[in-house]
Amino acid sequence: EDQVTQSPEALRLQEGESSSLNCSYTVSGLRGLFWYRQDPGKGPEFLFTLYSAGEEKEKERLKATLTKKESFLHITAPKPEDSATYLCAVTNYGGSQGNLIFGKGTKLSVKP
Amino acid sequence: KAGVTQTPRYLIKTRGQQVTLSCSPISGHRSVSWYQQTPGQGLQFLFEYFSETQRNKGNFPGRFSGRQFSNSRSEMNVSTLELGDSALYLCASSLWGGQADTQYFGPGTRLTVL
Repeated sequence: EDQVTQSPEALRLQEGESSSLNCSYTVSGLRGLFWYRQDPGKGPEFLFTLYSAGEEKEKERLKATLTKKESFLHITAPKPEDSATYLCAVTNYGGSQGNLIFGKGTKLSVKP
Repeated sequence: KAGVTQTPRYLIKTRGQQVTLSCSPISGHRSVSWYQQTPGQGLQFLFEYFSETQRNKGNFPGRFSGRQFSNSRSEMNVSTLELGDSALYLCASSLWGGQADTQYFGPGTRLTVL
Protein backbone atom coordinates (compact mmCIF):
# COMPACT_ATOMS: atom_id res chain seq x y z
CA GLU A 1 0.00 0.00 0.00
CA ASP A 2 1.27 3.45 -0.93
CA GLN A 3 2.14 5.44 2.15
CA VAL A 4 3.64 8.79 3.13
CA THR A 5 5.01 9.45 6.63
CA GLN A 6 6.10 12.86 7.81
CA SER A 7 8.24 13.62 10.85
CA PRO A 8 8.26 15.22 13.25
CA GLU A 9 4.55 15.86 13.73
CA ALA A 10 5.36 19.22 15.30
CA LEU A 11 8.49 21.34 15.42
CA ARG A 12 9.18 24.46 17.43
CA LEU A 13 12.10 26.63 16.38
CA GLN A 14 13.54 29.94 17.42
CA GLU A 15 13.83 32.53 14.72
CA GLY A 16 17.06 31.89 12.84
CA GLU A 17 17.36 28.27 14.00
CA SER A 18 17.70 26.11 10.88
CA SER A 19 16.19 22.62 10.71
CA SER A 20 14.80 19.94 8.39
CA LEU A 21 11.45 18.25 7.94
CA ASN A 22 11.31 14.67 6.73
CA CYS A 23 8.94 12.92 4.33
CA SER A 24 9.45 9.20 3.83
CA TYR A 25 7.41 7.36 1.23
CA THR A 26 6.56 3.84 0.18
CA VAL A 27 5.13 3.78 -3.32
CA SER A 28 5.27 1.41 -6.23
CA GLY A 29 7.27 3.68 -8.52
CA LEU A 30 7.45 7.33 -7.56
CA ARG A 31 6.23 9.70 -10.27
CA GLY A 32 6.30 12.97 -8.36
CA LEU A 33 6.77 14.30 -4.83
CA PHE A 34 5.04 17.55 -3.90
CA TRP A 35 5.54 19.92 -0.99
CA TYR A 36 2.79 22.27 0.14
CA ARG A 37 2.43 24.80 2.90
CA GLN A 38 -0.91 25.20 4.65
CA ASP A 39 -1.93 28.03 6.95
CA PRO A 40 -4.81 27.46 9.40
CA GLY A 41 -8.21 27.48 7.70
CA LYS A 42 -6.72 27.86 4.21
CA GLY A 43 -6.01 25.60 1.28
CA PRO A 44 -2.54 24.14 0.70
CA GLU A 45 -0.15 26.43 -1.14
CA PHE A 46 2.18 24.76 -3.64
CA LEU A 47 5.91 24.96 -2.90
CA PHE A 48 7.90 22.38 -4.89
CA THR A 49 7.67 19.37 -7.16
CA LEU A 50 10.51 16.82 -7.31
CA TYR A 51 10.64 14.00 -9.84
CA SER A 52 13.87 12.06 -9.43
CA ALA A 53 16.40 11.13 -6.77
CA GLY A 54 19.12 13.73 -6.42
CA GLU A 55 16.89 16.58 -7.49
CA GLU A 56 16.90 19.77 -5.39
CA LYS A 57 14.79 22.92 -5.53
CA GLU A 58 15.07 26.17 -3.60
CA LYS A 59 12.81 29.07 -2.84
CA GLU A 60 13.83 31.79 -0.42
CA ARG A 61 14.61 30.07 2.91
CA LEU A 62 13.32 26.66 1.76
CA LYS A 63 15.19 23.89 -0.01
CA ALA A 64 13.68 20.53 -0.94
CA THR A 65 15.73 17.44 -1.71
CA LEU A 66 14.77 13.94 -2.85
CA THR A 67 16.32 10.49 -2.40
CA LYS A 68 14.94 7.09 -3.38
CA LYS A 69 13.16 6.70 -0.06
CA GLU A 70 12.58 10.16 1.35
CA SER A 71 12.50 13.89 0.87
CA PHE A 72 13.71 16.66 3.14
CA LEU A 73 12.51 20.21 3.40
CA HIS A 74 15.36 22.29 4.79
CA ILE A 75 14.47 25.61 6.38
CA THR A 76 17.37 28.03 6.74
CA ALA A 77 17.19 30.88 9.26
CA PRO A 78 13.39 30.64 9.60
CA LYS A 79 11.21 33.63 10.41
CA PRO A 80 7.89 33.69 12.32
CA GLU A 81 6.02 33.99 9.00
CA ASP A 82 7.30 30.52 8.08
CA SER A 83 5.03 29.08 10.77
CA ALA A 84 2.55 26.75 9.05
CA THR A 85 1.83 23.09 8.46
CA TYR A 86 4.01 21.60 5.74
CA LEU A 87 2.48 18.78 3.73
CA CYS A 88 4.18 16.22 1.55
CA ALA A 89 2.33 14.26 -1.14
CA VAL A 90 3.27 11.72 -3.80
CA THR A 91 1.96 10.22 -7.00
CA ASN A 92 3.06 6.94 -8.52
CA TYR A 93 3.32 5.44 -11.97
CA GLY A 94 0.11 3.65 -12.70
CA GLY A 95 -1.67 5.42 -9.92
CA SER A 96 -5.04 7.02 -10.43
CA GLN A 97 -5.09 10.41 -12.12
CA GLY A 98 -5.54 13.46 -9.98
CA ASN A 99 -4.91 11.53 -6.77
CA LEU A 100 -2.27 12.93 -4.45
CA ILE A 101 -1.35 10.67 -1.50
CA PHE A 102 -0.68 12.94 1.45
CA GLY A 103 1.24 12.60 4.68
CA LYS A 104 -0.26 14.00 7.88
CA GLY A 105 2.02 17.03 7.84
CA THR A 106 4.54 18.73 10.11
CA LYS A 107 3.30 21.72 12.08
CA LEU A 108 6.11 24.26 12.29
CA SER A 109 6.13 27.08 14.84
CA VAL A 110 8.83 29.72 14.67
CA LYS A 111 9.14 31.97 17.71
CA PRO A 112 10.69 35.43 17.50
CA LYS B 1 -3.95 34.41 -13.44
CA ALA B 2 -6.78 33.89 -11.01
CA GLY B 3 -6.43 30.95 -8.65
CA VAL B 4 -8.85 28.20 -7.78
CA THR B 5 -12.03 29.53 -6.22
CA GLN B 6 -14.52 27.68 -4.04
CA THR B 7 -17.96 28.66 -2.87
CA PRO B 8 -19.31 28.92 -0.33
CA ARG B 9 -16.46 29.29 2.12
CA TYR B 10 -18.50 28.20 5.12
CA LEU B 11 -21.59 26.06 5.52
CA ILE B 12 -23.58 24.87 8.49
CA LYS B 13 -26.04 22.04 7.93
CA THR B 14 -27.94 19.54 10.04
CA ARG B 15 -27.84 15.77 9.85
CA GLY B 16 -29.85 14.31 7.00
CA GLN B 17 -29.63 17.38 4.79
CA GLN B 18 -27.70 17.54 1.57
CA VAL B 19 -25.14 20.07 0.40
CA THR B 20 -23.57 21.19 -2.88
CA LEU B 21 -20.12 22.75 -3.06
CA SER B 22 -18.70 24.54 -6.09
CA CYS B 23 -15.20 24.85 -7.51
CA SER B 24 -13.87 26.98 -10.37
CA PRO B 25 -10.44 25.84 -11.58
CA ILE B 26 -7.56 27.92 -12.86
CA SER B 27 -8.23 29.02 -16.42
CA GLY B 28 -7.01 26.38 -18.85
CA HIS B 29 -6.94 23.58 -16.28
CA ARG B 30 -9.13 20.68 -17.23
CA SER B 31 -8.71 18.36 -14.25
CA VAL B 32 -10.42 18.96 -10.91
CA SER B 33 -9.81 16.81 -7.85
CA TRP B 34 -11.70 16.94 -4.56
CA TYR B 35 -10.29 16.16 -1.12
CA GLN B 36 -11.68 15.94 2.38
CA GLN B 37 -9.46 17.20 5.20
CA THR B 38 -10.06 16.30 8.84
CA PRO B 39 -7.74 16.55 11.86
CA GLY B 40 -7.71 12.78 12.31
CA GLN B 41 -7.40 11.54 8.73
CA GLY B 42 -5.61 14.40 7.04
CA LEU B 43 -6.26 14.96 3.33
CA GLN B 44 -8.12 12.15 1.62
CA PHE B 45 -8.92 11.92 -2.06
CA LEU B 46 -12.60 11.94 -2.97
CA PHE B 47 -12.67 11.94 -6.79
CA GLU B 48 -11.24 13.49 -9.93
CA TYR B 49 -12.95 14.83 -13.03
CA PHE B 50 -11.59 15.50 -16.48
CA SER B 51 -13.59 16.55 -19.52
CA GLU B 52 -16.85 16.13 -17.63
CA THR B 53 -16.02 12.51 -16.73
CA GLN B 54 -15.20 11.06 -13.36
CA ARG B 55 -11.96 9.21 -13.91
CA ASN B 56 -11.19 8.14 -10.36
CA LYS B 57 -12.87 7.84 -7.03
CA GLY B 58 -11.51 7.41 -3.54
CA ASN B 59 -12.81 5.22 -0.78
CA PHE B 60 -15.90 7.19 0.21
CA PRO B 61 -19.54 6.12 0.33
CA GLY B 62 -21.93 6.78 -2.52
CA ARG B 63 -23.41 9.75 -0.63
CA PHE B 64 -20.47 11.69 -2.01
CA SER B 65 -20.85 12.53 -5.68
CA GLY B 66 -19.75 15.16 -8.10
CA ARG B 67 -19.86 16.44 -11.62
CA GLN B 68 -17.95 18.65 -13.98
CA PHE B 69 -19.28 21.07 -16.54
CA SER B 70 -18.03 21.86 -20.02
CA ASN B 71 -16.17 24.93 -18.72
CA SER B 72 -14.31 22.65 -16.25
CA ARG B 73 -16.12 24.05 -13.24
CA SER B 74 -17.02 21.30 -10.81
CA GLU B 75 -19.50 20.63 -8.07
CA MET B 76 -19.58 18.03 -5.36
CA ASN B 77 -22.67 16.91 -3.52
CA VAL B 78 -23.05 15.16 -0.20
CA SER B 79 -26.45 13.68 0.55
CA THR B 80 -27.88 12.57 3.88
CA LEU B 81 -25.25 14.39 5.88
CA GLU B 82 -23.71 12.75 8.93
CA LEU B 83 -21.84 14.35 11.82
CA GLY B 84 -18.62 12.79 10.55
CA ASP B 85 -18.89 14.70 7.29
CA SER B 86 -17.81 17.86 9.09
CA ALA B 87 -14.54 18.77 7.42
CA LEU B 88 -12.69 21.16 5.17
CA TYR B 89 -13.46 20.25 1.56
CA LEU B 90 -10.75 21.23 -0.87
CA CYS B 91 -10.71 21.22 -4.59
CA ALA B 92 -7.55 21.33 -6.68
CA SER B 93 -7.02 21.87 -10.38
CA SER B 94 -4.27 20.83 -12.76
CA LEU B 95 -3.74 20.90 -16.49
CA TRP B 96 -4.37 17.24 -17.24
CA GLY B 97 -4.58 15.43 -13.91
CA GLY B 98 -1.54 13.36 -14.77
CA GLN B 99 0.71 11.92 -12.09
CA ALA B 100 3.40 14.52 -12.90
CA ASP B 101 1.02 17.47 -12.89
CA THR B 102 1.09 19.96 -10.05
CA GLN B 103 -2.27 20.46 -8.38
CA TYR B 104 -3.23 23.93 -7.16
CA PHE B 105 -5.68 24.15 -4.31
CA GLY B 106 -8.54 26.46 -3.57
CA PRO B 107 -9.23 27.99 -0.14
CA GLY B 108 -11.68 25.24 0.78
CA THR B 109 -15.23 25.05 2.04
CA ARG B 110 -15.62 24.49 5.78
CA LEU B 111 -18.66 22.27 6.32
CA THR B 112 -20.09 21.88 9.80
CA VAL B 113 -22.81 19.28 10.34
CA LEU B 114 -24.89 19.68 13.51
